[in-house]
Amino acid sequence: DQQVKQNSPSLSVQEGRISILNCDYTNSMFDYFLWYKKYPAEGPTFLISISSIKDKNEDGRFTVFLNKSAKHLSLHIVPSQPGDSAVYFCAASVGAGNMLTFGGGTRLMVKP
Amino acid sequence: DTEVTQTPKHLVMGMTNKKSLKCEQHMGHRAMYWYKQKAKKPPELMFVYSYEKLSINESVPSRFSPECPNSSLLNLHLHALQPEDSALYLCASSQVTHTGELFFGEGSRLTVL
Repeated sequence: DQQVKQNSPSLSVQEGRISILNCDYTNSMFDYFLWYKKYPAEGPTFLISISSIKDKNEDGRFTVFLNKSAKHLSLHIVPSQPGDSAVYFCAASVGAGNMLTFGGGTRLMVKP
Repeated sequence: DTEVTQTPKHLVMGMTNKKSLKCEQHMGHRAMYWYKQKAKKPPELMFVYSYEKLSINESVPSRFSPECPNSSLLNLHLHALQPEDSALYLCASSQVTHTGELFFGEGSRLTVL
């Protein structure tokens, strides 16, 4: 049973517009949520995280929103740039310092 | 230095071969990880080392044998693998107490014939 799901395998967005990537989870014990970005032939790179005590965390063009009641989080990228084209993984953990459970990933394509 | 270096980048081996994957970091991280990623799937945790001691083994078959000789190095010894073990093997490191920020290497792509 997949505890972290990204239901959209791919997303295409025009440069300058907003990209919204979604992630759902089933384990109510998860209390840290993260987004990783992966370019081809590279390992995943940490992007942004959020603790369950918050509902929003912002870092430049990237904002993560957490809706605990819906067990849903989303990553907003505004404005989207062609260099943002990559696979984005959502991940979650129970407590700090513990193992991550990854979602299946969403391939984002930002068109110039 | 914020790099995790993995060697080799590509490895092809037969089912009777013995080979090793290597991982190195110099960020002072005392937690190191092996993940396995199959095509179009998320990374799956295999092993976690904390202060050079194996702390998590996610029921990985014994044909995979991890080793952490010191705080900067992590090896994965491979023996008698099956074709279904073909995958991208990712090494990562982090502070022992962390909020999920792992630093990943580029991975070693393994093909078992």
